[in-house]
Amino acid sequence: DQQVKQNSPSLSVQEGRISILNCDYTNSMFDYFLWYKKYPAEGPTFLISISSIKDKNEDGRFTVFLNKSAKHLSLHIVPSQPGDSAVYFCAASASRAGKSTFGDGTTLTVKP
Amino acid sequence: DAMVIQNPRYQVTQFGKPVTLSCSQTLNHNVMYWYQQKSSQAPKLLFHYYDKDFNNEADTPDNFQSRRPNTSFCFLDIRSPGLGDAAMYLCATSSTTDYNEQFFGPGTRLTVL
Repeated sequence: DQQVKQNSPSLSVQEGRISILNCDYTNSMFDYFLWYKKYPAEGPTFLISISSIKDKNEDGRFTVFLNKSAKHLSLHIVPSQPGDSAVYFCAASASRAGKSTFGDGTTLTVKP
Repeated sequence: DAMVIQNPRYQVTQFGKPVTLSCSQTLNHNVMYWYQQKSSQAPKLLFHYYDKDFNNEADTPDNFQSRRPNTSFCFLDIRSPGLGDAAMYLCATSSTTDYNEQFFGPGTRLTVL
C-alpha cells in the first residue's frame, strides 16, 4: 500500500496563474515532507520542504502547506512560468531518518 | 560544481548477464542511496549507505547488491538481470546535517534484452 500518494498524474495551467499540486500520506510517523522537481533526462532536484511543526513554508514563488489532521500537503506555485513545467515528486520521511518515501509524481505543464 | 555523477547514462544488457552501475559524488556526503524508478512510478529505495554501514530495504531482491569502496563511489550490481529489472536507477546523496534533502544524479537507464 502506497504511503505517499499524488492522485493527479498531470496538471496543466496557464502562465501567470497558480499551480496547486497535492499530496496525501497515510503514515502518521512522517514528520518531514519535501517536494522535488524533475526535468527530463535529469535527476530530481530538491525544491522546498516543511517540518511537521509548521503548517506553511514559503520560498519565493513556491509555498508548501501542511494539514496534519488531514494528512495532506500541497505545493503552490505563483505565478506559474513555462520553466516550471516538470514532474513534481512529493516525499515524506520519519524522524530525520533520511529514508524518504516518494509519491508517483505529478507532471505539471505551464502553457505560455 | 559539486555534484552526483552516474555512469553510464544508458546501459543495455542481456537477460541474465551481470551488470554494474556506478555513482560518484563530489559533495563529500556520508550517505548514499540507490533507487529504482519504473515508468510513471515513485522512486523506490533499494538500499543506502551511512558511511560504510550498509542498509538494505526488506523488499529489495537478492539479485541486487551494492558496494561502496570509499566515500566518493558507490556501485549497484545486478547479478542476473531479468526483464522486470529494466528501469531508471537513481543514485542520491545526503549529508548527516540534513539527512532529508537528497541530491540526485541524472540516473542510468537500464534496458534488458
